[in-house]
Amino acid sequence: DGGITQSPKYLFRKEGQNVTLSCEQNLNHDAMYWYRQDPGQGLRLIYYSQIVNDFQKGDIAEGYSVSREKKESFPLTVTSAQKNPTAFYLCASKMDRGGYGEQFFGPGTRLTVL
Amino acid sequence: QKEVEQDPGPLSVPEGAIVSLNCTYSNSAFQYFMWYRQYSRKGPELLMYTYSSGNKEDGRFTAQVDKSSKYISLFIRDSQPSDSATYLCAMIQYSNYQLIWGAGTKLIIKP
Repeated sequence: DGGITQSPKYLFRKEGQNVTLSCEQNLNHDAMYWYRQDPGQGLRLIYYSQIVNDFQKGDIAEGYSVSREKKESFPLTVTSAQKNPTAFYLCASKMDRGGYGEQFFGPGTRLTVL
Repeated sequence: QKEVEQDPGPLSVPEGAIVSLNCTYSNSAFQYFMWYRQYSRKGPELLMYTYSSGNKEDGRFTAQVDKSSKYISLFIRDSQPSDSATYLCAMIQYSNYQLIWGAGTKLIIKP
């Protein structure tokens, strides 16, 4: 089955720790995205990548980092510099770099800072 | 002021009712309009999309766009408890193809 997988489903972090969220897709899509979702605020773009070895900051990139070494993988690291990281994190992919194509979403990772 | 405004609800209606979900936007450069449905603790999934003013129908769902008023709507007929979810509107502008999201409306259909 083609799709997007995210792991882990739930993640707990102590203050001061970096954590990495996994996102893998087997849809052969060029573009991948990371969003953060907080209650009542919709989805906010953290980073996106339209091609391997290239990525751009979104609206709320501070305290986050990404890499795109393989087409199918786009991991997100939440660093200790992110002041309020508790949120629901969603990874998405889209077939083409541009255009109006549909974004397909993974099941999400819920991160809680203890 | 946010580029896309959407009432977060919750909106609670009885089973079988017609539901109207709405978003307003301020950027006239938005060209493409989408509605995503998100069940609790899941990722959103595309429900409908449209790029022109007017209505687009798909089964019990109708998407409506009024570009002159910068207003979009999603109507659900014969609502079912399985329609209970958060509905997010999203818009794309031609210049960079990035999605701009509404806050999402939580819909509850009571049996």
